[in-house]
Amino acid sequence: QSALTQPPSASGSPGQSVTISCTGTSSDVGAYGYVSWYQQHPGKAPKLMIYDVTKRPSGVPDRFSASKSGNTASLTVSGLQAEDEADYYCSSHGGTNNFVMFGGGTKLTVL
Amino acid sequence: QVQLVEFGGGVVQPGGSLRLSCVASGFTFSSYGMHWVRQAPGKGLEWVTFIQYDGSNKYYTDSVKGRFTVSRDNPRNTLYLQMSSLRPEDTAVYYCGKKASGSGRYTLDYWGQGALVTVSS
Repeated sequence: QSALTQPPSASGSPGQSVTISCTGTSSDVGAYGYVSWYQQHPGKAPKLMIYDVTKRPSGVPDRFSASKSGNTASLTVSGLQAEDEADYYCSSHGGTNNFVMFGGGTKLTVL
Repeated sequence: QVQLVEFGGGVVQPGGSLRLSCVASGFTFSSYGMHWVRQAPGKGLEWVTFIQYDGSNKYYTDSVKGRFTVSRDNPRNTLYLQMSSLRPEDTAVYYCGKKASGSGRYTLDYWGQGALVTVSS
């Protein structure tokens, strides 16, 4: 089972916006509306930030937004804050043989 | 509030077995599917298995099929992962996670703190 493709790193200054991509195929990201994004700080459990491509769970700041175009999903963090520095993982359903797939993760650095 | 607490991690020799438990509270455990996700040291997340709310359907990643078994005890609000024929590449922090409310089976909205499993001689 192959992982989704994310850039290993991304960065931005406080107050700026940064976008992280997540590229799959027409069998996973492009086929289903089940893309999620997770934030993970060092030594901590992941936290759900976005689900069903664009939905934000209660309590997640609206600085976090997401979209999908074709086989690529994107997470945008606007108004970067120091506490946004973390690893971000995308996931998607990929059919019966790829029940849940994760991307390799992107380390977001707030400069 | 939702809480998931894993137990049972430790050091085991290659070829050995180990059982992880995940005790849930703060939600109706019997109404939600549950996942196990692992993370090797310094690596990314890897989905391991999912079990439907009533245990009727189970899904596994290819690398653990035939070696790992997921189960649940709904009256005890507990999820299990029985791991056998363990390999060094199974070394990871294992997280249990709850299927997200209002979404498909493929999203985890709450995660435990993780249990470290080390496979080494």
